[in-house]
Amino acid sequence: DAGVIQSPRHEVTEMGQEVTLRCKPISGHDYLFWYRQTMMRGLELLIYFNNNVPIDDSGMPEDRFSAKMPNASFSTLKIQPSEPRDSAVYFCASRNFGGVEQYFGPGTRLTVT
Amino acid sequence: AQSVAQPEDQVNVAEGNPLTVKCTYSVSGNPYLFWYVQYPNRGLQFLLKYITGDNLVKGSYGFEAEFNKSQTSFHLKKPSALVSDSALYFCAVSSGNTPLVFGKGTRLSVIA
Repeated sequence: DAGVIQSPRHEVTEMGQEVTLRCKPISGHDYLFWYRQTMMRGLELLIYFNNNVPIDDSGMPEDRFSAKMPNASFSTLKIQPSEPRDSAVYFCASRNFGGVEQYFGPGTRLTVT
Repeated sequence: AQSVAQPEDQVNVAEGNPLTVKCTYSVSGNPYLFWYVQYPNRGLQFLLKYITGDNLVKGSYGFEAEFNKSQTSFHLKKPSALVSDSALYFCAVSSGNTPLVFGKGTRLSVIA
């Protein structure tokens, strides 16, 4: 298996623009997680899905952030409009139903200027 | 609520010496404990986990961790450090079916 796939790996955008981050979980995994990593706050859970259904989005910082999982092999995290304080590395992770460890993608480094 | 504390931002150790990276946790019920490693510009890689059983857990790359229930700790250890072990290490906790909650990370620097 190729592992968790994220795209793009790097994104540079201007304040106010829409940003869409993409994630393909490991095939057969039922859970998908979106995390954000910053120096100040470490790794924060933004939202997670089980069987494509959002379970907990309490970590989503503002209404500017939204996430979808239209099918078992694809999820998006969208920021509209983006702001400089959204600059961070965004990680996607997946987990299967019977497991407890999460497997992480390589991350998307977002820079908002 | 679950939480993890990694009291050291940075740990420096000489190559060949033993290393310890500290972690304490707080969780309701039985803890599920994890260590992950992050190399520059990479995602987090799973190292080892404790679910139940033997308090000493062995993982990848010669790392091990000791679960101590009375001290609510799960310290990461390695008998002999390598320069290639230099990375950012994260401790994480869950209560089983919940998402992992991570500590802030400890940067390990192994000096030749």
